[in-house]
Amino acid sequence: AQSVSQHNHHVILSEAASLELGCNYSYGGTVNLFWYVQYPGQHLQLLLKYFSGDPLVKGIKGFEAEFIKSKFSFNLRKPSVQWSDTAEYFCAVNEWGTNAGKSTFGDGTTLTVKP
Amino acid sequence: KAGVTQTPRYLIKTRGQQVTLSCSPISGHRSVSWYQQTPGQGLQFLFEYFSETQRNKGNFPGRFSGRQFSNSRSEMNVSTLELGDSALYLCASSFLGQSGDEQFFGPGTRLTVL
Repeated sequence: AQSVSQHNHHVILSEAASLELGCNYSYGGTVNLFWYVQYPGQHLQLLLKYFSGDPLVKGIKGFEAEFIKSKFSFNLRKPSVQWSDTAEYFCAVNEWGTNAGKSTFGDGTTLTVKP
Repeated sequence: KAGVTQTPRYLIKTRGQQVTLSCSPISGHRSVSWYQQTPGQGLQFLFEYFSETQRNKGNFPGRFSGRQFSNSRSEMNVSTLELGDSALYLCASSFLGQSGDEQFFGPGTRLTVL
């Protein structure tokens, strides 16, 4: 069974600092990869996804992620965080060719950005 | 376009009771998935329905069941509630539920079992 590991449970940054959240998965086949975000009091929503092609994926609000197949990683980055980026971030993976609903999620990383 | 809605938003039950949660997907979406979210276990996949058929199932006991109606609305049922079933239950819909599809999540139903 596949698993997803997010290395940091809680990250605290000051505004304008750079962000990198780690995500590693265990499945050896072809995968689709996602980062979801949950802002305080809001629903989970998609930040970005990797389906195929360019391993550097750009998402909303200046976020990007790089898929490194050899490292089974899909790390999320943002060059300069804002207070409004305070949220919980989830990495998710599903096997290519399976169903979207059968996704495996990481435990989440809570990001706190201090103004 | 209305988002995914879930009812009720909050529920308090006692051990041994059963509960039914409801999810209305985004109009036109045919795939509905259910997840259990707890602080210790994160988001865990319960099951997925597509065109009224359960297509995938996670590793949960048979006390957890679900169904989907012809209008794609879905319900999940938990029988003989246990304290450990206290969690946020999330519903997500996607257009066809293919592996690269984005899932749209509802606000969740917060279930507390006393």
